[in-house]
Parts: sequence; structure tokens; C-alpha cells
Amino acid sequence: DTGVSQDPRHKITKRGQNVTFRCDPISEHNRLYWYRQTLGQGPEFLTYFQNEAQLEKSRLLSDRFSAERPKGSFSTLEIQRTEQGDSAMYLCASFGQGENTDTQYFGPGTRLTVL
Amino acid sequence: DQQVKQNSPSLSVQEGRISILNCDYTNSMFDYFLWYKKYPAEGPTFLISISSIKDKNEDGRFTVFLNKSAKHLSLHIVPSQPGDSAVYFCAASATGGGADGLTFGKGTHLIIQP
Repeated sequence: DTGVSQDPRHKITKRGQNVTFRCDPISEHNRLYWYRQTLGQGPEFLTYFQNEAQLEKSRLLSDRFSAERPKGSFSTLEIQRTEQGDSAMYLCASFGQGENTDTQYFGPGTRLTVL
Repeated sequence: DQQVKQNSPSLSVQEGRISILNCDYTNSMFDYFLWYKKYPAEGPTFLISISSIKDKNEDGRFTVFLNKSAKHLSLHIVPSQPGDSAVYFCAASATGGGADGLTFGKGTHLIIQP
């Protein structure tokens, strides 16, 4: 399978703990995005990378959140001192050519539950 | 403020009939629009897109219409099939081609009845 992959698929943690998620984009895609989706909402943009450079950060990305893409391939999203409000699906996407158009291709997501 | 609005949380359509999903936007800077489909426990899957220089784009059973003056777009699925039952998200981009962070609506849950 050459799609976007995310690990882990599910994470349960206690409030105050740190968590880290990983995203592997489609190999030839230079742009990588992180989104967050809560129940009843659409995905909300968090940040994106062009190769290893972080080009844009949403105001939703508080100081407790940090994302990296050190070698321009996979990316990690870390949440420090998790809060119950961080419980959500975290989606990763990469941008590149499809059958008829360039678009963002999404991974399956990591579901985070903060107890 | 919700810049992309999908005002119908759910829609039920009989198999074989046309499904019409609607989306409104408020930001005049949006120039590229996309529709994604999402099954439970999966990430969104790209369906079809349209640039603001067009008013229609068609791909098989899926057609997207864009009315710039009304800031409105719609997705038509003809004929509707059971596998089309999913949540559909409308998304918008303010740079060409959807290469920046997308702004999504809240989604419409489409249910295809046999």
C-alpha cells in the first residue's frame, strides 16, 4: 500500500501525559499536513510542511503542540501535558498528483482519547 | 466563524435517484473547492474538485457545480448507490490547487436507502 500511513491508530492516555504521533506521507509528495477532527466537526487545519520547512501554523496549534519533519519524509506531532479537550482524531495528509488532479490525500488518522 | 457551511447534517436518498449535497462559503478569497467522502474509522477520500474559473466539473457519477456570485456549490451523485452512504465534506482553499491548509465544512451524512 503506497498511501499515507499513520501510527498509532489509537492512543489512550491520562491527562498530563505527553503523546507523539507519526505520519508517513506518499513517498514522492513534498507537502505534508496535520489536521484535527472532533465529533460532529470537519477536519481543522493545524500545520503543514514543504519538505522539512514548517510553512504555516494555525492558531489552533497551541504551545503544547509541536510538529517536526526532520528529513522531509515522515513527520511527528507531539502533544505535551495532554488535556481532555485534546481528545480527537488527528489526521495527516500529503499533497501530490492523482489520476486527474493534484490534491491532498489523507491517512486513516490517529484517534486520541485523554482520560 | 464558519467559513464553509454544510447546513444539512444528514440526507436520505433512495437507491438509483439523484443525491444533491450543498455547501456555502463566506470567504471571497477561496478559489478552489473540493469534496471528500469519509467512512467511519477511515480518513477522508478525495472525490472531485473545481476551480473558481469553472462552473462545473464532472467525473463519472459525480458532478460539482459552482455558483460564485451566490458563494454556493453542490455535489450531484447520479445514480446513487448503496456504497455512497458516507459523510461528505466540502472543503475550500485560498491558493490555487488546494495546496494550502483546507477549510472544511461540518459534513453531510448521506444515507442511500434500498
